[in-house]
Amino acid sequence: DVKVTQSSRYLVKRTGEKVFLECVQDMDHENMFWYRQDPGLGLRLIYFSYDVKMKEKGDIPEGYSVSREKKERFSLILESASTNQTSMYLCASSVFYSRRLNTGELFFGEGSRLTVL
Amino acid sequence: DAKTTQPPSMDCAEGRAANLPCNHSTISGNEYVYWYRQIHSQGPQYIIHGLKNNETNEMASLIITEDRKSSTLILPHATLRDTAVYYCIVRVPWAGTASKLTFGTGTRLQVTL
Repeated sequence: DVKVTQSSRYLVKRTGEKVFLECVQDMDHENMFWYRQDPGLGLRLIYFSYDVKMKEKGDIPEGYSVSREKKERFSLILESASTNQTSMYLCASSVFYSRRLNTGELFFGEGSRLTVL
Repeated sequence: DAKTTQPPSMDCAEGRAANLPCNHSTISGNEYVYWYRQIHSQGPQYIIHGLKNNETNEMASLIITEDRKSSTLILPHATLRDTAVYYCIVRVPWAGTASKLTFGTGTRLQVTL
């Protein structure tokens, strides 16, 4: 089974702290994604990466950065955490789509609930 | 990616079929319809997807109208464990170099005894 592991289920940080959220997948997937989920807003894409050292902005990249130094690991960085970044963060991965080989589905981690005080 | 419209919530009795509708009137010819669900405190889980033909797997059936402007996810015999938020998404899975999903707010399905 595909496994996407997020380093922490729950974090509490203070305003201004630098925060790292780590995500590791074990299926050699090319694509990795970071979403945040807030009540009433659904899942919103922050950043995604389709290869090592490659990244693209999603719909709400402001206040975030990412790092993909190894294929299996995708990190979300909050350079200076703010209270409006209190949220559930979800990491996902998928294989680079091939019509013959796969469905293009995303596999999600369990989520990291971040509280910024 | 085309936008979708889903009812915010639905109820279903256990053992009955749950029919979850989705409107995607602006869908383009090469966009697929995907369904995911999210059980409380977990990440979303893929259910099924289709282009224009009806699809069935071990979890659900997907019915897409002939004009492809709407679809229905069917859980044939809903159980309490099917209580979740269900997301309908349309996308071109091979678009560009990364096929991102854009989630809306979904339908909260409550299965009751």
